[in-house]
Amino acid sequence: GDSVTQMEGPVTLSEEAFLTINCTYTATGYPSLFWYVQYPGEGLQLLLKATKADDKGSNKGFEATYRKETTSFHLEKGSVQVSDSAVYFCALSGAAGNKLTFGGGTRVLVKP
Amino acid sequence: DSGVTQTPKHLITATGQRVTLRCSPRSGDLSVYWYQQSLDQGLQFLIQYYNGEERAKGNILERFSAQQFPDLHSELNLSSLELGDSALYFCASSFRDRGRTEAFFGQGTRLTVV
Repeated sequence: GDSVTQMEGPVTLSEEAFLTINCTYTATGYPSLFWYVQYPGEGLQLLLKATKADDKGSNKGFEATYRKETTSFHLEKGSVQVSDSAVYFCALSGAAGNKLTFGGGTRVLVKP
Repeated sequence: DSGVTQTPKHLITATGQRVTLRCSPRSGDLSVYWYQQSLDQGLQFLIQYYNGEERAKGNILERFSAQQFPDLHSELNLSSLELGDSALYFCASSFRDRGRTEAFFGQGTRLTVV
Protein backbone atom coordinates (compact mmCIF):
# COMPACT_ATOMS: atom_id res chain seq x y z
CA GLY A 1 0.00 0.00 0.00
CA ASP A 2 0.91 3.68 -0.04
CA SER A 3 3.38 4.96 2.53
CA VAL A 4 5.27 8.13 3.40
CA THR A 5 8.53 8.35 5.29
CA GLN A 6 9.86 11.60 6.63
CA MET A 7 12.78 12.46 8.80
CA GLU A 8 12.24 12.29 12.50
CA GLY A 9 12.60 15.36 14.60
CA PRO A 10 12.86 17.42 16.47
CA VAL A 11 14.79 19.74 14.24
CA THR A 12 16.15 22.72 16.14
CA LEU A 13 17.36 25.75 14.20
CA SER A 14 18.31 29.34 14.77
CA GLU A 15 16.33 32.11 13.15
CA GLU A 16 17.35 32.77 9.50
CA ALA A 17 18.81 29.28 9.13
CA PHE A 18 18.04 27.02 6.16
CA LEU A 19 15.47 24.29 6.72
CA THR A 20 15.20 20.98 4.89
CA ILE A 21 12.80 18.20 5.84
CA ASN A 22 13.21 15.01 3.84
CA CYS A 23 10.20 13.07 2.61
CA THR A 24 10.08 9.95 0.45
CA TYR A 25 7.06 7.98 -0.62
CA THR A 26 5.87 4.67 -1.99
CA ALA A 27 2.74 4.64 -4.07
CA THR A 28 1.10 2.92 -6.99
CA GLY A 29 0.85 5.16 -10.01
CA TYR A 30 1.30 8.90 -9.77
CA PRO A 31 0.05 10.38 -6.53
CA SER A 32 -0.39 14.01 -5.61
CA LEU A 33 1.97 15.15 -2.87
CA PHE A 34 1.35 17.60 -0.04
CA TRP A 35 2.95 19.28 2.91
CA TYR A 36 0.71 20.13 5.84
CA VAL A 37 1.71 22.20 8.87
CA GLN A 38 0.32 21.94 12.39
CA TYR A 39 0.97 24.89 14.68
CA PRO A 40 0.69 24.30 18.44
CA GLY A 41 -2.89 23.67 19.50
CA GLU A 42 -4.26 23.87 15.97
CA GLY A 43 -5.41 21.63 13.16
CA LEU A 44 -3.52 20.74 10.00
CA GLN A 45 -3.19 23.42 7.36
CA LEU A 46 -2.31 22.72 3.76
CA LEU A 47 1.06 24.37 3.15
CA LEU A 48 1.74 23.41 -0.46
CA LYS A 49 1.10 20.73 -3.04
CA ALA A 50 2.35 19.25 -6.30
CA THR A 51 0.31 17.08 -8.60
CA LYS A 52 2.80 15.78 -11.17
CA ALA A 53 6.47 15.04 -11.62
CA ASP A 54 8.81 18.08 -11.57
CA ASP A 55 6.05 20.32 -10.24
CA LYS A 56 7.24 22.74 -7.57
CA GLY A 57 4.82 23.69 -4.84
CA SER A 58 5.50 26.90 -2.94
CA ASN A 59 3.89 28.99 -0.23
CA LYS A 60 5.06 31.37 2.52
CA GLY A 61 8.69 30.93 1.48
CA PHE A 62 8.50 27.13 1.60
CA GLU A 63 9.16 25.04 -1.50
CA ALA A 64 9.06 21.37 -2.44
CA THR A 65 9.66 19.69 -5.80
CA TYR A 66 7.97 16.44 -6.88
CA ARG A 67 10.85 14.13 -7.84
CA LYS A 68 9.48 10.99 -9.44
CA GLU A 69 12.88 9.45 -10.07
CA THR A 70 13.80 9.54 -6.39
CA THR A 71 10.18 9.33 -5.11
CA SER A 72 10.84 12.35 -2.92
CA PHE A 73 9.18 15.63 -1.97
CA HIS A 74 11.61 17.42 0.34
CA LEU A 75 10.47 20.62 2.02
CA GLU A 76 12.84 23.61 2.08
CA LYS A 77 12.86 27.15 3.37
CA GLY A 78 15.76 29.50 2.94
CA SER A 79 15.41 31.57 6.11
CA VAL A 80 13.19 30.34 8.94
CA GLN A 81 11.49 32.49 11.55
CA VAL A 82 10.40 31.71 15.09
CA SER A 83 6.83 31.64 13.79
CA ASP A 84 7.72 28.62 11.61
CA SER A 85 7.97 26.46 14.73
CA ALA A 86 5.43 23.72 14.13
CA VAL A 87 5.02 20.08 13.13
CA TYR A 88 5.28 19.43 9.40
CA PHE A 89 3.60 16.46 7.73
CA CYS A 90 4.31 15.08 4.29
CA ALA A 91 1.33 13.34 2.69
CA LEU A 92 0.20 11.74 -0.53
CA SER A 93 -3.09 11.06 -2.23
CA GLY A 94 -3.04 8.24 -4.72
CA ALA A 95 -4.80 8.12 -8.05
CA ALA A 96 -7.21 5.45 -6.90
CA GLY A 97 -7.15 6.19 -3.22
CA ASN A 98 -9.80 7.63 -0.97
CA LYS A 99 -7.60 9.21 1.62
CA LEU A 100 -4.42 11.05 2.48
CA THR A 101 -1.53 8.94 3.70
CA PHE A 102 0.69 10.84 6.13
CA GLY A 103 4.26 10.58 7.27
CA GLY A 104 5.00 10.59 10.97
CA GLY A 105 5.52 14.34 11.17
CA THR A 106 8.65 16.38 11.89
CA ARG A 107 8.69 18.85 14.75
CA VAL A 108 10.64 22.02 13.96
CA LEU A 109 11.71 24.43 16.67
CA VAL A 110 13.19 27.77 15.63
CA LYS A 111 15.05 29.69 18.32
CA PRO A 112 15.60 33.45 18.23
CA ASP B 1 -9.76 29.23 8.68
CA SER B 2 -10.22 26.03 6.64
CA GLY B 3 -14.01 26.22 6.65
CA VAL B 4 -14.30 22.85 8.41
CA THR B 5 -15.98 23.11 11.81
CA GLN B 6 -15.60 20.56 14.57
CA THR B 7 -17.37 20.47 17.91
CA PRO B 8 -16.65 20.22 20.73
CA LYS B 9 -13.03 21.39 20.92
CA HIS B 10 -12.38 19.49 24.13
CA LEU B 11 -14.09 16.54 25.73
CA ILE B 12 -13.30 14.81 29.01
CA THR B 13 -15.15 11.64 29.83
CA ALA B 14 -14.81 8.48 31.87
CA THR B 15 -13.92 4.98 30.73
CA GLY B 16 -16.88 3.00 29.46
CA GLN B 17 -18.78 6.07 28.31
CA ARG B 18 -19.95 7.03 24.82
CA VAL B 19 -19.32 10.34 23.05
CA THR B 20 -20.26 11.92 19.74
CA LEU B 21 -17.97 14.21 17.78
CA ARG B 22 -19.46 16.46 15.15
CA CYS B 23 -18.06 17.85 11.91
CA SER B 24 -19.41 20.30 9.34
CA PRO B 25 -17.46 20.19 6.07
CA ARG B 26 -16.48 23.15 3.91
CA SER B 27 -19.30 24.53 1.83
CA GLY B 28 -19.57 22.47 -1.36
CA ASP B 29 -17.45 19.56 -0.14
CA LEU B 30 -19.09 16.16 -0.33
CA SER B 31 -16.42 13.98 1.28
CA VAL B 32 -15.73 13.82 4.98
CA TYR B 33 -12.77 11.98 6.48
CA TRP B 34 -12.06 11.18 10.11
CA TYR B 35 -8.51 10.85 11.45
CA GLN B 36 -7.13 10.03 14.88
CA GLN B 37 -3.89 11.64 16.03
CA SER B 38 -2.11 10.14 18.99
CA LEU B 39 1.47 10.48 20.18
CA ASP B 40 2.43 6.88 19.49
CA GLN B 41 0.41 6.22 16.32
CA GLY B 42 0.65 9.49 14.45
CA LEU B 43 -2.20 10.37 12.09
CA GLN B 44 -4.40 7.36 11.45
CA PHE B 45 -7.18 7.34 8.89
CA LEU B 46 -10.41 6.06 10.37
CA ILE B 47 -13.20 6.34 7.83
CA GLN B 48 -14.51 8.30 4.84
CA TYR B 49 -18.01 9.24 3.76
CA TYR B 50 -19.02 10.71 0.43
CA ASN B 51 -22.45 12.26 -0.03
CA GLY B 52 -23.90 10.15 2.75
CA GLU B 53 -22.32 6.83 1.83
CA GLU B 54 -19.38 5.10 3.45
CA ARG B 55 -16.52 4.95 0.94
CA ALA B 56 -13.44 3.77 2.77
CA LYS B 57 -12.49 2.31 6.12
CA GLY B 58 -9.13 2.48 7.79
CA ASN B 59 -8.02 1.48 11.26
CA ILE B 60 -11.37 2.09 12.87
CA LEU B 61 -12.28 0.03 15.92
CA GLU B 62 -15.60 -1.79 16.07
CA ARG B 63 -16.50 0.37 19.07
CA PHE B 64 -16.36 3.40 16.78
CA SER B 65 -18.90 4.30 14.11
CA ALA B 66 -19.67 7.26 11.92
CA GLN B 67 -22.34 8.59 9.63
CA GLN B 68 -22.92 11.45 7.26
CA PHE B 69 -26.29 13.14 7.20
CA PRO B 70 -28.25 14.60 4.26
CA ASP B 71 -26.96 18.08 5.09
CA LEU B 72 -23.45 16.55 4.77
CA HIS B 73 -22.38 17.05 8.36
CA SER B 74 -20.84 13.99 9.94
CA GLU B 75 -20.71 12.47 13.38
CA LEU B 76 -18.15 10.09 14.85
CA ASN B 77 -19.49 7.96 17.69
CA LEU B 78 -17.03 6.44 20.14
CA SER B 79 -18.38 3.95 22.66
CA SER B 80 -17.09 1.82 25.55
CA LEU B 81 -14.26 4.28 25.80
CA GLU B 82 -10.86 3.19 27.04
CA LEU B 83 -7.91 5.21 28.29
CA GLY B 84 -6.11 4.48 25.03
CA ASP B 85 -8.80 6.27 23.04
CA SER B 86 -7.51 9.58 24.36
CA ALA B 87 -6.35 11.46 21.26
CA LEU B 88 -7.01 14.32 18.90
CA TYR B 89 -9.75 13.50 16.41
CA PHE B 90 -9.70 15.42 13.16
CA CYS B 91 -12.31 15.78 10.53
CA ALA B 92 -11.34 16.77 7.00
CA SER B 93 -13.34 17.46 3.87
CA SER B 94 -12.82 17.51 0.13
CA PHE B 95 -14.96 17.93 -2.95
CA ARG B 96 -14.11 14.63 -4.62
CA ASP B 97 -14.45 11.13 -3.24
CA ARG B 98 -11.17 9.78 -4.59
CA GLY B 99 -8.12 10.44 -6.64
CA ARG B 100 -5.20 12.73 -5.83
CA THR B 101 -7.14 15.34 -3.93
CA GLU B 102 -6.17 17.43 -0.94
CA ALA B 103 -8.35 17.64 2.12
CA PHE B 104 -9.02 20.55 4.46
CA PHE B 105 -8.89 19.92 8.17
CA GLY B 106 -10.85 21.18 11.13
CA GLN B 107 -9.28 22.27 14.41
CA GLY B 108 -9.87 18.88 15.96
CA THR B 109 -11.57 17.56 19.07
CA ARG B 110 -9.26 16.65 21.92
CA LEU B 111 -10.71 13.66 23.73
CA THR B 112 -9.44 12.78 27.18
CA VAL B 113 -10.67 9.55 28.75
CA VAL B 114 -10.09 9.35 32.50
